[in-house]
Amino acid sequence: SQKIEQNSEALNIQEGKTATLTCNYTNYSPAYLQWYRQDPGRGPVFLLLIRENEKEKRKERLKVTFDTTLKQSLFHITASQPADSATYLCALVYGGSQGNLIFGKGTKLSVKP
Amino acid sequence: DVKVTQSSRYLVKRTGEKVFLECVQDMDHENMFWYRQDPGLGLRLIYFSYDVKMKEKGDIPEGYSVSREKKERFSLILESASTNQTSMYLCATLGGYGYTFGSGTRLTVV
Repeated sequence: SQKIEQNSEALNIQEGKTATLTCNYTNYSPAYLQWYRQDPGRGPVFLLLIRENEKEKRKERLKVTFDTTLKQSLFHITASQPADSATYLCALVYGGSQGNLIFGKGTKLSVKP
Repeated sequence: DVKVTQSSRYLVKRTGEKVFLECVQDMDHENMFWYRQDPGLGLRLIYFSYDVKMKEKGDIPEGYSVSREKKERFSLILESASTNQTSMYLCATLGGYGYTFGSGTRLTVV
């Protein structure tokens, strides 16, 4: 069955540094992979999508890479701020073009001032 | 912006009660989903719907049913609530690329 793993449950970094979160998957070749942010007690919020034929995507201070050989996506937040503290989820689509998402369990990022 | 509204933020119900969780979207999205989220288990898909009156089981449908009588409304029903259904329930729609989630309903079954 499809499996998606985020390498750490928690990541603590200092303000101003770059946060790098990892997402690995097995047993599937997704057409695209998504990243979400979730704050406590709230639903996830969509951040970025990257397709299998895209190596990298950027949005402001966010950067996502997608390596289909390694079956891995990296999510970077540059110049991190305490307001970036949240849980970040990766998700891949399975089951076809209107397929459903399978989510990783998330990495809780804490940015210390 | 697409809005997905879940009728209740917090609910407390008794074991054996029939529970209705409502979700309404204000865009014309065909695809709607119900997830539950538990610590250590992440988000798991309960049911989804691609169109009015259509429904498909997700990964953990047991003990749940759904209703989609109108395109904008997708209801999750707990036929007879049990304590192991205490969880955060999240509704979502799919339009364009990403999913839009509601704020969630935290259900406690006592």
